[in-house]
Parts: sequence; structure tokens; C-alpha cells
Amino acid sequence: NAGVTQTPKFRILKIGQSMTLQCAQDMNHNYMYWYRQDPGMGLKLIYYSVGAGITDKGEVPNGYNVSRSTTEDFPLRLELAAPSQTSVYFCASSSTGISPLHFGNGTRLTVT
Amino acid sequence: AQRVTQPEKLLSVFKGAPVELKCNYSYSGSPELFWYVQYSRQRLQLLLRHISRESIKGFTADLNKGETSFHLKKPFAQEEDSAMYYCALPGPGAGNMLTFGGGTRLMVKP
Repeated sequence: NAGVTQTPKFRILKIGQSMTLQCAQDMNHNYMYWYRQDPGMGLKLIYYSVGAGITDKGEVPNGYNVSRSTTEDFPLRLELAAPSQTSVYFCASSSTGISPLHFGNGTRLTVT
Repeated sequence: AQRVTQPEKLLSVFKGAPVELKCNYSYSGSPELFWYVQYSRQRLQLLLRHISRESIKGFTADLNKGETSFHLKKPFAQEEDSAMYYCALPGPGAGNMLTFGGGTRLMVKP
């Protein structure tokens, strides 16, 4: 049981480049989330999805896009990378109701 | 707006000493609160939730609505407790997301 899988683990981007962070879960969870973790700032919600075909903005969505074409996958797209997007990105999923979030291992992104 | 505050970025104690990681919140209504933990090189995982009122790895947390706090406590710290700890509560909005505090790094010295 893999749980939540994120790829890549590390990435260095130049300013203006684009990339997609992949996230997949095999627990048939309806809810999926993208958080970013900045040092000393906790986790901030970027986007979330309550089911296939449905996405919504979180607290810090600017500069990002998401899609949810299947229950399993929830990729995060950065179109024009900026230094402010240097962070650790976590994908998470949960089943319905107030249930625990299951996190991936994270992607460490550096934009220079 | 709801908010979770963890006032200490770093807490350092000796093995066997008591530990209290502070968490204060602002929330309208009756919140359900969580503690998540991230050990070195591991993913963030649920430690405990107040609704279950259980003790996990010797840790307990009591919801104090009067003081709007949900402090995490352990009577005798172990070296393996060294980790990053996050307090969280649901929301804002629908979707079952969580709002996290800034985290406290606990270091337990031998």
C-alpha cells in the first residue's frame, strides 16, 4: 500500500521555467490537497479538490494551477517559476468527513 | 478568521524531562483539533486528535475551550520524540482541509 506518492523528490528550476509536481494516491480518497511548507511558517494550503473534476483555491493559489481528472491523481502546475515559490510542497489526501490527512513525502523545489 | 498559533519554534529538553508543546487557536464554534508530527526523513503523520481522547506514544492533549488551547504534553521525554510538531484545526471552508500552526521543533537531548 503506497499511500500518497509524490514525484519528484527534488527539483531546481530557473526563473520563468515551468514544471508539474505529481501526486497520486491509492486509497480511493475523495479529498486531495496541496500545501507548501516554508521555514517557520507552517503549512499553507495552495489548492484542494473534493473529488474528480472539482478543484478550488486555498490560501496561497497565485502562481499555481491544478487539475483532478481522476480520483487518484492531483498534479500541481507551476507556469512561470519565481524565487518566492522556493519551498517544500506536500500533497495529502483524506476520505470524507473530518478524517486524518495522509501526506506524501514532499517535493523540495528551489527556484534560482 | 481561524488561526493556530504555536508560540515556540524550538523546544529543547533533556531526556526524562516533561514536555509541553503549546498550541493556541481562534475558531468560531466547537473545533476538532489535531497534532501532527514529522520525524526526520519521514512524512507528516497524525499523532493524535482531541476527539479520540487517547494517548499516543505517551503524548496527551486536552482541549481547553476557556483558554482556547490544545497543548501537547508528555511526562517523560525520550530521544525518539525529537521531531517537528504541528497543531491543526479544520477549515476554513468546506473540503476537510486543515489550517496548521507554524510548528515547533522538539529536541530531546541525552
